[in-house]
Amino acid sequence: DVKVTQSSRYLVKRTGEKVFLECVQDMDHENMFWYRQDPGLGLRLIYFSYDVKMKEKGDIPEGYSVSREKKERFSLILESASTNQTSMYLCASSGRTGGQLYEQYFGPGTRLTVT
Amino acid sequence: AQSVTQLDSQVPVFEEAPVELRCNYSSSVSVYLFWYVQYPNQGLQLLLKYLSGSTLVESINGFEAEFNKSQTSFHLRKPSVHISDTAEYFCAVTERGGATNKLIFGTGTLLAVQP
Repeated sequence: DVKVTQSSRYLVKRTGEKVFLECVQDMDHENMFWYRQDPGLGLRLIYFSYDVKMKEKGDIPEGYSVSREKKERFSLILESASTNQTSMYLCASSGRTGGQLYEQYFGPGTRLTVT
Repeated sequence: AQSVTQLDSQVPVFEEAPVELRCNYSSSVSVYLFWYVQYPNQGLQLLLKYLSGSTLVESINGFEAEFNKSQTSFHLRKPSVHISDTAEYFCAVTERGGATNKLIFGTGTLLAVQP
């Protein structure tokens, strides 16, 4: 079974703090994604990576950065957390070949509260 | 660019009744289509997908969806729902043959099954 794990299920941070959200997948997937999920807005793509050290902006990259130094790990960084970044953050990964083409596997999510 | 519309934010239904969750998409290129399900306090799981071939696709737990190219729709149906089907359902689309298999999600439909 594909496993995508996220470092925390719940996180509370203060405004202005630097926040790291970690995601690890164990299926040797090339692609990794960070989304935020908000009620009524669905999932919105923040950043994605299609290879080590490669990244591309998604639809809402402002206020975020990412790092992918190893294939299995994709980190989301909030340089200076703000209250409007309070949300559920979901990580996903996918391969590029075979029967699971285009299927994204999701982690359990991190619910971040910025106070 | 693609977009996905799920007009119903919430669908209440009684147990053992049929249900249809609507999904319409917009795209200037050919697409692949997906339904994901999110049970309470969990990440998203793939429910079913349309890549090619038969326009009617089925999941292992009794859901089915039909790709209708002329109506640009991919509605999800189940003839008889159970309490355990209570979850949020997301329709998603990606460009056929795209290099990074980015998914565009709808805003989600909460299926609330009542006894």
